[in-house]
Amino acid sequence: EAGVAQSPRYKIIEKRQSVAFWCNPISGHATLYWYQQILGQGPKLLIQFQNNGVVDDSQLPKDRFSAERLKGVDSTLKIQPAKLEDSAVYLCASSFGGSDQYFGPGTRLLVL
Amino acid sequence: QKEVEQDPGPLSVPEGAIVSLNCTYSNSAFQYFMWYRQYSRKGPELLMYTYSSGNKEDGRFTAQVDKSSKYISLFIRDSQPSDSATYLCAMSEGGGGNKLTFGTGTQLKVEL
Repeated sequence: EAGVAQSPRYKIIEKRQSVAFWCNPISGHATLYWYQQILGQGPKLLIQFQNNGVVDDSQLPKDRFSAERLKGVDSTLKIQPAKLEDSAVYLCASSFGGSDQYFGPGTRLLVL
Repeated sequence: QKEVEQDPGPLSVPEGAIVSLNCTYSNSAFQYFMWYRQYSRKGPELLMYTYSSGNKEDGRFTAQVDKSSKYISLFIRDSQPSDSATYLCAMSEGGGGNKLTFGTGTQLKVEL
């Protein structure tokens, strides 16, 4: 079974630029999550989708972050404009419905 | 005060040692408790999953939950160099795709 796929794996941008990350969950997983993991910290949930609807986006900085999950499969997370403090690993996870979340390898973002 | 507290380490042990990793939490509504292992530059992978108080064993790994003390532990017996990773505790109030709250992670190194 293929795991959660993410791209790109690494991205370096200047502050105030925009960036987008892509996630393809495990086939059949209805729930998709985006997490932000700052160096030395645990992952923090940014947004949770159930199919293509948003379940929880309470910790998403909506003035600069946006996410969508068209057709209930792939998802894109965008940051516009980026700030220095956005430097982190962005993890995508999916689950069939339980608390067993399967994580992708993450996208490592560096904002200069 | 953070909802979940975890000693960041690093923790260094000799091969074959018993390792004890711990987390404390403040939210009494947490019912589901997980341990994830994260290798460098990889996404977290689910190691153990327990519901409510009690023990669960899987091979060399044992997870313990004491809800009365708001304290969870992961024990690793006969530790191996391949166990060297960051161990993250995570918990949620409910199953079925509920939001996970992570600890900061404990970095473990098992030396030959």
